[in-house]
Amino acid sequence: GNSVTQMEGPVTLSEEAFLTINCTYTATGYPSLFWYVQYPGEGLQLLLKATKADDKGSNKGFEATYRKETTSFHLEKGSVQVSDSAVYFCALAGGAQKLVFGQGTRLTINP
Amino acid sequence: EAGVTQFPSHSVIEKGQTVTLRCDPISGHDNLYWYRRVMGKEIKFLLHFVKESKQDESGMPNNRFLAERTGGTYSTLKVQPAELEDSGVYFCASSQSIWVADTEAFFGQGTRLTVV
Repeated sequence: GNSVTQMEGPVTLSEEAFLTINCTYTATGYPSLFWYVQYPGEGLQLLLKATKADDKGSNKGFEATYRKETTSFHLEKGSVQVSDSAVYFCALAGGAQKLVFGQGTRLTINP
Repeated sequence: EAGVTQFPSHSVIEKGQTVTLRCDPISGHDNLYWYRRVMGKEIKFLLHFVKESKQDESGMPNNRFLAERTGGTYSTLKVQPAELEDSGVYFCASSQSIWVADTEAFFGQGTRLTVV
């Protein structure tokens, strides 16, 4: 079945550091890939998505590229801010809205 | 426009008791989903309603869990009797379309359930 494996957390960085959170997946066919974020006290929010190979999703300075050859969708940001502290979830969907999530990565940014 | 709303935000109950979680989707969203995250692990799909019908309930863990969506508006998820392993965060989401290519699913804040 479909599955998502995420980089183990928690991750702690200093402000303005470069961020990478690794995500790899196993799926049949050509899934859509997502990154969701949960800020403290809030619900899950869609951060970015990519629906086909080589697509790059981007939002709020975050980027992730759908790599079919390596079955990966790593999240990157060039310069993180304290406000980026949150839990990040990688997810996939086969077409319908039934999402398969990774275990989440807690990110803490120190000033 | 109001987002997806879940009640309560937290619930602490004793093993063997009953708890009912409620989800109010975004108005006009026919699709409603329940997920849960147990012990800081991955978020897992529980079930999917299209209006008042259960489209997919393959993720429901056992018959102690009962989900309803009478009238195709809000939904409830009842756990009876609750067990320790039911502790976790229960998320609800809603979407206009069933297809991810058409629209996104919007999530609520979640209900943190603790069974002691």
